[in-house]
Amino acid sequence: DADVTQTPRNRITKTGKRIMLECSQTKGHDRMYWYRQDPGLGLRLIYYSFDVKDINKGEISDGYSVSRQAQAKFSLSLESAIPNQTALYFCATSDTGTKDTDTQYFGPGTRLTVL
Amino acid sequence: RKEVEQDPGPFNVPEGATVAFNCTYSNSASQSFFWYRQDCRKEPKLLMSVYSSGNEDGRFTAQLNRASQYISLLIRDSKLSDSATYLCVVNRATDSWGKLQFGAGTQVVVTP
Repeated sequence: DADVTQTPRNRITKTGKRIMLECSQTKGHDRMYWYRQDPGLGLRLIYYSFDVKDINKGEISDGYSVSRQAQAKFSLSLESAIPNQTALYFCATSDTGTKDTDTQYFGPGTRLTVL
Repeated sequence: RKEVEQDPGPFNVPEGATVAFNCTYSNSASQSFFWYRQDCRKEPKLLMSVYSSGNEDGRFTAQLNRASQYISLLIRDSKLSDSATYLCVVNRATDSWGKLQFGAGTQVVVTP
């Protein structure tokens, strides 16, 4: 079974709809991240969480919100989806307290299309 | 200027040949460097970390040049399965442990 899972894998929605993307991990990592990937651009950080009580904005958090329900679960919400939020979304995790903190492990991605 | 810049390619490489490409980064305080591999529409996966002294993992060799602020990846004896996009990844600063900056990727296409 995959260590980092994302649901749904694909979603098509309409402008103005609220959408939630979910991420679960079995790696036991404290740190979790949400990124989006657009063609020709690197992955951009939306939000990150270093533990259940620690939520931080990334470089492109406008229009998004997150919830860290448990160590293993980190959800991303688009409150009112707009077409320029069409992208590939990745969840990632990393360990803490070691040099491997920077090594991130990614889920399979969610392809979101906003019409 | 982007924090991490890569030649998007594609680098078309005959099977068995060697290919090398670089990535430049702008933050001189960066401490951690990585190459990730991403297959089409799939998640990035760690290929290798890049150490100051340079390091090798099988057919892959990574180098770091701090003075000129670039890292490189060399692939020897290319296989068809090496076809992918290679992402250069750099941490932002020593006090941002875990927050990474991703390049847009270099596409490599290995041909028979």
